[in-house]
Amino acid sequence: DAKTTQPPSMDCAEGRAANLPCNHSTISGNEYVYWYRQIHSQGPQYIIHGLKNNETNEMASLIITEDRKSSTLILPHATLRDTAVYYCIVRVGYRDDKIIFGKGTRLHILP
Amino acid sequence: DAGVIQSPRHEVTEMGQEVTLRCKPISGHDYLFWYRQTMMRGLELLIYFNNNVPIDDSGMPEDRFSAKMPNASFSTLKIQPSEPRDSAVYFCASSLGEMNTEAFFGQGTRLTVV
Repeated sequence: DAKTTQPPSMDCAEGRAANLPCNHSTISGNEYVYWYRQIHSQGPQYIIHGLKNNETNEMASLIITEDRKSSTLILPHATLRDTAVYYCIVRVGYRDDKIIFGKGTRLHILP
Repeated sequence: DAGVIQSPRHEVTEMGQEVTLRCKPISGHDYLFWYRQTMMRGLELLIYFNNNVPIDDSGMPEDRFSAKMPNASFSTLKIQPSEPRDSAVYFCASSLGEMNTEAFFGQGTRLTVV
């Protein structure tokens, strides 16, 4: 079973920052927070991951609370191409640890 | 690298027929995953391999499903006999087993069983 809780859907205006929340209150000390997204009809795509420090790459930023029980994925300037289902996943991220997808958040970018 | 390659992209078959889905992982990756996606159940992990050996097949729905990985560059998922409820998009993914590497997904095979 997925160890995360996400809102089923969100809207964001094009050009604005999209902030996608994720709750993972039972996260273990050695588990990382991963984000993937799935654009319609395509396979899921990796976005970013982190342990406890905030992370940023060319796609997004990941903010993890100090108690690590929740996190927020930030798309700084959302475009129509960011319309997708976003999955927050908790896993050790090593060797035989499976990637289990929950229901994710369907993000609609509004023109 | 061309990424994870799945074939066919679309498959329509009649109930009772055998269906074989194929996957070529990214060269050098030692983990391979098979997922199934439906509207009702979302993305489900069916089975995954490490160095061509099946590690966990607990997600395989029933004996009609089988998966093999004869070598590091090829895997198959077979359904025999197929049923209409097997209709779904099947994704293959591969990754390195090192710490915190991402999984790369193929474009999927859309299977329709009529």
